[in-house]
Amino acid sequence: ELKVEQNPLFLSMQEGKNYTIYCNYSTTSDRLYWYRQDPGKSLESLFVLLSNGAVKQEGRLMASLDTKARLSTLHITAAVHDLSATYFCAVDLNSGYALNFGKGTSLLVTP
Amino acid sequence: AAGVIQSPRHLIKEKRETATLKCYPIPRHDTVYWYQQGPGQDPQFLISFYEKMQSDKGSIPDRFSAQQFSDYHSELNMSSLELGDSALYFCASSLTDTSGQYFGPGTRLTVT
Repeated sequence: ELKVEQNPLFLSMQEGKNYTIYCNYSTTSDRLYWYRQDPGKSLESLFVLLSNGAVKQEGRLMASLDTKARLSTLHITAAVHDLSATYFCAVDLNSGYALNFGKGTSLLVTP
Repeated sequence: AAGVIQSPRHLIKEKRETATLKCYPIPRHDTVYWYQQGPGQDPQFLISFYEKMQSDKGSIPDRFSAQQFSDYHSELNMSSLELGDSALYFCASSLTDTSGQYFGPGTRLTVT
């Protein structure tokens, strides 16, 4: 069974600060995804990471993947209130397979 | 760009009733997935279809069934509804050999 663990599960941070969310998974895979979800809304795709060492950046968010360590990170730089949401990482074994999600990290950015 | 369409967006049913959720994938996408997300939970995979054939099955109760039609839309049929079935139900679609699943807006099912 593929297990995906995120930490922390809850994160309250001040605007302007930096922080990193971690995602570990239990099986060999080089396919990892980050999604954002606002309360009661859909899952918005943020990053698709498909190889060891992949790094992608969009605005204040940067994601990386280390397939040997089975670890992905989502780094937040100079947080702003608009980043408040729940962030999920997910792993699949191949194209067309189900996504296995972590429990999600609920992020609250405060003034 | 066209997105995944789901209907209805909200549905209220009583215990033991049936419900049907519909999903229209992104045009040319060949795989459709259904996920269930309970309050405060992560999405759980239910079932998927590739080219109208069931391709994978997750934690879908026997009371639920699904199919994909010739026009590629999919329906999730839920019978003998229970209070615990109250959740957000997402449909997602993808195209083989490309990566990432694209999620619809979801259907919020409330069972009273």
